[in-house]
Amino acid sequence: KAGVTQTPRYLIKTRGQQVTLSCSPISGHRSVSWYQQTPGQGLQFLFEYFSETQRNKGNFPGRFSGRQFSNSRSEMNVSTLELGDSALYLCASSLMPGGPNEQYFGPGTRLTVT
Amino acid sequence: AQSVTQLDSQVPVFEEAPVELRCNYSSSVSVYLFWYVQYPNQGLQLLLKYLSGSTLVESINGFEAEFNKSQTSFHLRKPSVHISDTAEYFCAVTTNTGFQKLVFGTGTRLLVSP
Repeated sequence: KAGVTQTPRYLIKTRGQQVTLSCSPISGHRSVSWYQQTPGQGLQFLFEYFSETQRNKGNFPGRFSGRQFSNSRSEMNVSTLELGDSALYLCASSLMPGGPNEQYFGPGTRLTVT
Repeated sequence: AQSVTQLDSQVPVFEEAPVELRCNYSSSVSVYLFWYVQYPNQGLQLLLKYLSGSTLVESINGFEAEFNKSQTSFHLRKPSVHISDTAEYFCAVTTNTGFQKLVFGTGTRLLVSP
């Protein structure tokens, strides 16, 4: 079974631009979560989606948004990019939402904002 | 809210020596605990998890962790490390509230030298 895939793997954008990152969960997984990883803040939770609904959101500004499609694929969007948005963005999928359900992580998208 | 503390940012060790990576958590509700490993330029891989039952959990590659509720700890141990164990290790906690959000520690970089 294929793992979680994220596209693109690397991205370079300029301040003020917007960006869309894509995540395809493991086949059969219906819950998708996003995390941001930076050297300064570590791993921080962005959002959780299940059945096309955002169930939980971390402490990030409104410039960060996301959505989930009927096939469970998910996208996240960052508008008006800032230098501080440079990070590794990780997507994780699980069969169902809820703490005991194991989350499988993708390789991440490394976003560099110049 | 939950929090995770990994006091050691870096742990150098010689090959075949034992190692312990420390993790302490804080939570007012019951938790599920996880250890993830991250190799350079890769996503996170689940190493082991504690959901309930036996407080000692083991992974297939020789790591083990023990849940200690009274000390709110979930330390990771391996009796004999290999060069290939060099990576960053993250302790994470989530709760049984039905949400998927993982709260991560700041990570411990394990450096195994010959």
